[in-house]
Amino acid sequence: DTGVSQDPRHKITKRGQNVTFRCDPISEHNRLYWYRQTLGQGPEFLTYFQNEAQLEKSRLLSDRFSAERPKGSFSTLEIQRTEQGDSAMYLCASSLFGHREDEQFFGPGTRLTVL
Amino acid sequence: QQQVKQSPQSLIVQKGGIPIINCAYENTAFDYFPWYQQFPGKGPALLIAIRPDVSEKKEGRFTISFNKSAKQFSLHIMDSQPGDSATYFCATWPSRSNYQLIWGAGTKLIIKP
Repeated sequence: DTGVSQDPRHKITKRGQNVTFRCDPISEHNRLYWYRQTLGQGPEFLTYFQNEAQLEKSRLLSDRFSAERPKGSFSTLEIQRTEQGDSAMYLCASSLFGHREDEQFFGPGTRLTVL
Repeated sequence: QQQVKQSPQSLIVQKGGIPIINCAYENTAFDYFPWYQQFPGKGPALLIAIRPDVSEKKEGRFTISFNKSAKQFSLHIMDSQPGDSATYFCATWPSRSNYQLIWGAGTKLIIKP
């Protein structure tokens, strides 16, 4: 399967714990995006990378959130000191910049539940 | 405030009917209007997209109608099937220099057999 993959698919954690999610984009894609989606809402943009450079961060991305894409391939999203309000689906997408309107291909998401 | 307003929240249509989902945007600088389809437990998938230089685009049974002066665009699904039951999102991006998609709240569509 050459689509976007995310790991884990589900994560249950206690408030105050740190969690890390991984995203593996489509191999030739140079852009990688993170979104957060809560029930009944559309995804909200968090951040994106072009290769290894983080080009944009949303105001939603508090200092408890950090994202990396160290070699321009996979990316990780870490949430420190989780809060119940962090419970959501975290979606990763990738695209090939300059190709077909930067069409973004999404992974299946990681569902986070903070107890 | 950049925003996309989507309606209705939910829609039930008989098989073979033509569901129509509408979106309205505020900023005239927006210049790319995709529609995404999302099934439960899956990420969104691009269905069809339009640029503001055309008023209509068709791909298979899916059509986007675009009204630039009214700042509205809509999705029509011809000959709808139960397999089309999903949540549909409209989206846009602010400009060609800003690729962060801004999304509508979604429409949950059910096609009854």
